[in-house]
Amino acid sequence: NAGVTQTPKFQVLKTGQSMTLQCAQDMNHEYMSWYRQDPGMGLRLIHYSVGAGITDQGEVPNGYNVSRSTTEDFPLRLLSAAPSQTSVYFCASSYSYAGQLNTEAFFGQGTRLTVV
Amino acid sequence: RKEVEQDPGPFNVPEGATVAFNCTYSNSASQSFFWYRQDCRKEPKLLMSVYSSGNEDGRFTAQLNRASQYISLLIRDSKLSDSATYLCVVNMKNTGFQKLVFGTGTRLLVSP
Repeated sequence: NAGVTQTPKFQVLKTGQSMTLQCAQDMNHEYMSWYRQDPGMGLRLIHYSVGAGITDQGEVPNGYNVSRSTTEDFPLRLLSAAPSQTSVYFCASSYSYAGQLNTEAFFGQGTRLTVV
Repeated sequence: RKEVEQDPGPFNVPEGATVAFNCTYSNSASQSFFWYRQDCRKEPKLLMSVYSSGNEDGRFTAQLNRASQYISLLIRDSKLSDSATYLCVVNMKNTGFQKLVFGTGTRLLVSP
């Protein structure tokens, strides 16, 4: 079972470049989310989605865009990369029912992004 | 105030010791609570959910105190393989939809 697949695993960008982090899940989960993890900061929510066509901002959305055109995919776009966006990015998905999130979140393996 | 707060540690304990972690959360309307484990440079994985009545899974016991808004994780008979970061996770709804909010994690180091 694939679960949550994130690509790429590693990426180096130059300041000002744009890129898209891909995330796909095959569990038919409605809820998907993106986190960044920095030393001493834990996982911080960037954006999340409760279903196709519905997204909302998390704690640290600036500099990132998302869209959810299908249930399976939830890409994260960096519009103009900055060194402050150097981090480890995790995508996660969860089963939700009637807007309730009471079950396990499944994570991708992470993307280690460096912006120079 | 952070929505979910944990002591970052590290907690250094010998094998066989009992260790406990606490986590406090700010939203009294939160409904679901979890402990996740994260190994170095890996993705977080669910360790256990936390129920109102408390729950136990082998050497691990989780408790919820709604009145004081904290959850706890107790690890008995620590093993070397328990060395990891333990993340407290709370399901919150402020405005909009529900979301999972993570604490910064508590690092555990178990030594021989």
